[in-house]
Amino acid sequence: NAGVTQTPKFQVLKTGQSMTLQCAQDMNHNSMYWYRQDPGMGLRLIYYSASEGTTDKGEVPNGYNVSRLNKREFSLRLESAAPSQTSVYFCASSERQITRVTGELFFGEGSRLTVL
Amino acid sequence: KQEVTQIPAALSVPEGENLVLNCSFTDSAIYNLQWFRQDPGKGLTSLLLIQSSQREQTSGRLNASLDKSSGRSTLYIAASQPGDSATYLCAAQNSNSGYALNFGKGTSLLVTP
Repeated sequence: NAGVTQTPKFQVLKTGQSMTLQCAQDMNHNSMYWYRQDPGMGLRLIYYSASEGTTDKGEVPNGYNVSRLNKREFSLRLESAAPSQTSVYFCASSERQITRVTGELFFGEGSRLTVL
Repeated sequence: KQEVTQIPAALSVPEGENLVLNCSFTDSAIYNLQWFRQDPGKGLTSLLLIQSSQREQTSGRLNASLDKSSGRSTLYIAASQPGDSATYLCAAQNSNSGYALNFGKGTSLLVTP
């Protein structure tokens, strides 16, 4: 009953280093999302993938890239980390097809990233 | 772009009080509205989801209402307990951005014994 799993849970980087945040869901959901949460800013959408094979920019995409590796996995990459990317990152998934389900989003537990 | 606002930003109440958290949104063409709870340093726990065709949802001591025409939702917590202390987030789902959620900044609730 894992739901949405994110790795790593904690990471410290130096400015300019790169890293990838991994996200996997086991609910057979079509849509997946990456958010960042900063104090006083709430959660903001970075990128989303409405279905396997598609990705689109959200509100704050600069400095990030994503890959929808397959239906289960959606990764977020920081190519050259900056201190402004210090944040808590959340992955989420939902069943977008309007058949019987509600469109509810399910969230992972978050990845805390610090860029020095 | 959907804008979601939560009032108040912080609230402190004594144990046992009933309380209301407010959420407003600018685009009434929502698909659904979700309320979450977030404890410090933790992830998001979904509390209630109200579909656009519904007026309210209840779970235990929690009741959430939705008024699309006025762009408002409220979360009512009955007989508050210290364990209810957390940040409560409201999020509206529209069909744009792949049905992503647009979040308010949250209401930080402290229930004192």
